[in-house]
Amino acid sequence: EDQVTQSPEALRLQEGESSSLNCSYTVSGLRGLFWYRQDPGKGPEFLFTLYSAGEEKEKERLKATLTKKESFLHITAPKPEDSATYLCAVQAENSGYALNFGKGTSLLVTP
Amino acid sequence: DTEVTQTPKHLVMGMTNKKSLKCEQHMGHRAMYWYKQKAKKPPELMFVYSYEKLSINESVPSRFSPECPNSSLLNLHLHALQPEDSALYLCASSPYPGSDTEAFFGQGTRLTVV
Repeated sequence: EDQVTQSPEALRLQEGESSSLNCSYTVSGLRGLFWYRQDPGKGPEFLFTLYSAGEEKEKERLKATLTKKESFLHITAPKPEDSATYLCAVQAENSGYALNFGKGTSLLVTP
Repeated sequence: DTEVTQTPKHLVMGMTNKKSLKCEQHMGHRAMYWYKQKAKKPPELMFVYSYEKLSINESVPSRFSPECPNSSLLNLHLHALQPEDSALYLCASSPYPGSDTEAFFGQGTRLTVV
């Protein structure tokens, strides 16, 4: 059975304090791994898709990396506006079109 | 235009009411999805429409009835809901079925069943 586990569940950082969020997965044939950001009461906002081990993508203060077992979302010098829940989702080759989401990491960045 | 628009933003309905949620996108996407998200939980897939045809129904109760009138619109008809159906209902679209590119999500409809 496909599984997606995110850690930590919650993370509190001081502004400028870099850190990483983890998404570990087990899936029978990975088609893609997705990172989304979700603000309270809003729909998820797409950040990145990673397809193969070794791939990296960057956007502003965020950098996503992928290995065969896990993905990391690195946040460099975060700002309070980076506070949100970060969701990881996998799309398996045999799952049709579904995204299987992890439970998310709730990030709070304080000034 | 990279938006998925959902209406209404908030809905309160009684257990005997019939209501509909609407979703619209004009990106030419041919796959559209309904997800349900409970508080502090991840989104859970309900339905997938592929080229306006229902392709996946994740064992959703019949009190939820999806409809895809055309390639830009997706509806979710609600009837005889239970209080435990209260949640954020999210619509999403992607370029084509099985696409490994990103799915764009709408802002959701916050549904409360009383």
